[in-house]
Amino acid sequence: KNEVEQSPQNLTAQEGEFITINCSYSVGISALHWLQQHPGGGIVSLFMLSSGKKKHGRLIATINIQEKHSSLHITASHPRDSAVYICAVRGSGGSNYKLTFGKGTLLTVNP
Amino acid sequence: ETGVTQTPRHLVMGMTNKKSLKCEQHLGHNAMYWYKQSAKKPLELMFVYSLEERVENNSVPSRFSPECPNSSHLFLHLHTLQPEDSALYLCASSPQVVSEKLFFGSGTQLSVL
Repeated sequence: KNEVEQSPQNLTAQEGEFITINCSYSVGISALHWLQQHPGGGIVSLFMLSSGKKKHGRLIATINIQEKHSSLHITASHPRDSAVYICAVRGSGGSNYKLTFGKGTLLTVNP
Repeated sequence: ETGVTQTPRHLVMGMTNKKSLKCEQHLGHNAMYWYKQSAKKPLELMFVYSLEERVENNSVPSRFSPECPNSSHLFLHLHTLQPEDSALYLCASSPQVVSEKLFFGSGTQLSVL
């Protein structure tokens, strides 16, 4: 079992729908990252969270440290949001430079 | 465009070849990373460099040899690879080893025959 589990693995939505991608982790962390990977490989950092909630445009990320759970929400989804969304946790203490990644959630938004 | 450039984008090599992957950033970042992304598996950290010193060597086989000659350049030297080493190799940089954002290159898709 991975230290970082994402669900769902695949998600298909219609344009305009509200999207939720979940991430659960089993270790102590200092922060959690959400990243976006488009076809062709390029990865973009979306958020880093250590508590609460962050918003950037149509993207909202939340984290519950006690429950070891984070969610990434996309409002008013668009076909250009189609990508793999990856959750990664940053270790704590002396391992805080290491990121452990989930397998990703493949999101397809149809027009 | 993230400011991190990787070359080549694609590489096919035989098991007896020696090749090198190159990564370059002019973002003024102090930390650089090599990651491996295999099909159906999570990204795996291979190496971390901070101010040109290796911070982490994550149990990577010696057939992968990193080199960081200065804070803007990172190489991954490959020799006697195995077919299971075929993967997408991603370079990343960040201002420090603990940073809010990582900046990734587009990766080198490596096929070992």
